[in-house]
Amino acid sequence: ELKVEQNPLFLSMQEGKNYTIYCNYSTTSDRLYWYRQDPGKSLESLFVLLSNGAVKQEGRLMASLDTKARLSTLHITAAVHDLSATYFCAVFFYGNKLVFGAGTILRVKS
Amino acid sequence: DAGVIQSPRHEVTEMGQEVTLRCKPISGHDYLFWYRQTMMRGLELLIYFNNNVPIDDSGMPEDRFSAKMPNASFSTLKIQPSEPRDSAVYFCASTGGVTGPQHFGDGTRLSIL
Repeated sequence: ELKVEQNPLFLSMQEGKNYTIYCNYSTTSDRLYWYRQDPGKSLESLFVLLSNGAVKQEGRLMASLDTKARLSTLHITAAVHDLSATYFCAVFFYGNKLVFGAGTILRVKS
Repeated sequence: DAGVIQSPRHEVTEMGQEVTLRCKPISGHDYLFWYRQTMMRGLELLIYFNNNVPIDDSGMPEDRFSAKMPNASFSTLKIQPSEPRDSAVYFCASTGGVTGPQHFGDGTRLSIL
């Protein structure tokens, strides 16, 4: 079965702190995506990771991909309130199957 | 540059009625995706097209749902007959090349009474 598991599903953190969201997937893939969704809004693409060891950074967010471990991480550095949103990872599996994780709700408290 | 355009933005209708959702992808994009999002089930991929051809429709919940892409600039998702459990936000997304990031439309909020 093709599965994408995110954890935690809910994250409440203080401004200025660091934290990591994890995305595990069930079988071989070298294509992983991270998206952000604000409440009541559409999804916005954050990162596209296409190879083992890929690392992308944008502002306070950094994403990485380890295809051997079937794991991607989204690291948040010195969180600010504006980062509060729901973050999804999505995996394109071989056989043209695209599966989204359940999403991680991030709340940054001042 | 116009993004993915969906219509209508909101639709309220009674069960049993036919519902048609529309999507115009970004010009030049060759992949188009339809999603459904609910609190209970999260974000679900329903179907996606490449060059107007359906590639994976395994997420289409049942025969009441159908999707078409008659040309590169237009797609429809139809529900007939509609049921209250179809109430959700339906998103359309497009991308240029399968590895590219998806650009999502603003969604259609569908309520079936």
